[in-house]
Amino acid sequence: GEDVEQSLFLSVREGDSSVINCTYTDSSSTYLYWYKQEPGAGLQLLTYIFSNMDMKQDQRLTVLLNKKDKHLSLRIADTQTGDSAIYFCAESYGGSQGNLIFGKGTKLSVKP
Amino acid sequence: EAGVTQSPTHLIKTRGQQVTLRCSPISGHTSVYWYQQALGLGLQFLLWYDEGEERNRGNFPPRFSGRQFPNYSSELNVNALELEDSALYLCASSWVGEQYFGPGTRLTVT
Repeated sequence: GEDVEQSLFLSVREGDSSVINCTYTDSSSTYLYWYKQEPGAGLQLLTYIFSNMDMKQDQRLTVLLNKKDKHLSLRIADTQTGDSAIYFCAESYGGSQGNLIFGKGTKLSVKP
Repeated sequence: EAGVTQSPTHLIKTRGQQVTLRCSPISGHTSVYWYQQALGLGLQFLLWYDEGEERNRGNFPPRFSGRQFPNYSSELNVNALELEDSALYLCASSWVGEQYFGPGTRLTVT
């Protein structure tokens, strides 16, 4: 069945770049998403990319999509302590309005 | 513009009881999705409603049910609560494409 895989932990120093990786299985996914979850909070939509794009940049965030390898990455430039959170990769199942399939989340720790 | 709202924020129930969670989508959004975030299990899709109809259902037993009202708000009902139903229940809404999440309802079953 559909599956989304992410590494569970990432630790970086403040000011460095963070790269969070994700692989997915559903080749019909129309949208691929990155969400951020801070402790005790809901999910905040960070950015998303259409499946016909290779790259999307939004301020400090860069999303790269390799459709051939079904690999998605999120790069956070100049990582700050406020970026410490869990980051979830998600693919839409069955089209643009389908439910989301989430990875288990990558916990990003930013050390000062 | 108001975001997705959910109520209540927290609740504590006893095993065997029933619970109703509520969600109000962003104005203009017709789809509502329910997800369960249980410790150690990640985010699991529960139910998707669009225009008042159930469009898809995740791998959950029938005691998880819901509905969507004409104003697009939604309820999630869980009957015969079990300890493993303790989780954060997240509601999301969308029109086409990106889903926006509410803050969640934390359910504890004792």
